[in-house]
Amino acid sequence: GAVVSQHPSRVICKSGTSVKIECRSLDFQATTMFWYRQFPKKSLMLMATSNEGSKATYEQGVEKDKFLINHASLTLSTLTVTSAHPEDSSFYICSALFTGGGFTDTQYFGPGTRLTVL
Amino acid sequence: SQQGEEDPQALSIQEGENATMNCSYKTSINNLQWYRQNSGRGLVHLILIRSNEREKHSGRLRVTLDTSKKSSSLLITASRAADTASYFCATDKVIIQGAQKLVFGQGTRLTINP
Repeated sequence: GAVVSQHPSRVICKSGTSVKIECRSLDFQATTMFWYRQFPKKSLMLMATSNEGSKATYEQGVEKDKFLINHASLTLSTLTVTSAHPEDSSFYICSALFTGGGFTDTQYFGPGTRLTVL
Repeated sequence: SQQGEEDPQALSIQEGENATMNCSYKTSINNLQWYRQNSGRGLVHLILIRSNEREKHSGRLRVTLDTSKKSSSLLITASRAADTASYFCATDKVIIQGAQKLVFGQGTRLTINP
């Protein structure tokens, strides 16, 4: 099946620093990737849609200057949490949209990145 | 905005029993999908059911969809300890260029007791 990786899996940083999270589709090309945020025992909340070669589309209430998204290639999207604060601590999950073949309309998810801001 | 809501929020059963989780949503959909998430991990896609389908099977999984009631159910038969996880339904919303956007329900935390 389609595989999506995320790096790092865990990161601890000091308040005020920036953290970059990578999302890669390993065996397929994805023009569209998605970034989600998940609080403990809660559901996934879509933060933004990342489109290769164009600007990301952010959901209402998500600060685009805070959460910078770059989708520079068909297999890589990055999320940078700028000037991180403790309230940004969360589980961040990306997904890549697999189109074509017998798996149309399926998002494949990465394993997630646990961000802890001290 | 549409939102999937699962019930129950938590379910604990004995190994070997069947587990049923339900999902309701508010607006029209193209597809409904079920995902599994082990604690602290990413989501694993289980099954997709299209709006013109009523039932779908995959191994020990059975999914039904009732678009008139805007609800879906996920049945796991002959449960195993490894089935312990959170299960989410997700409905789609078509955005630009045909790409989908998923809206997730709150999830059901399933515990299978040995």
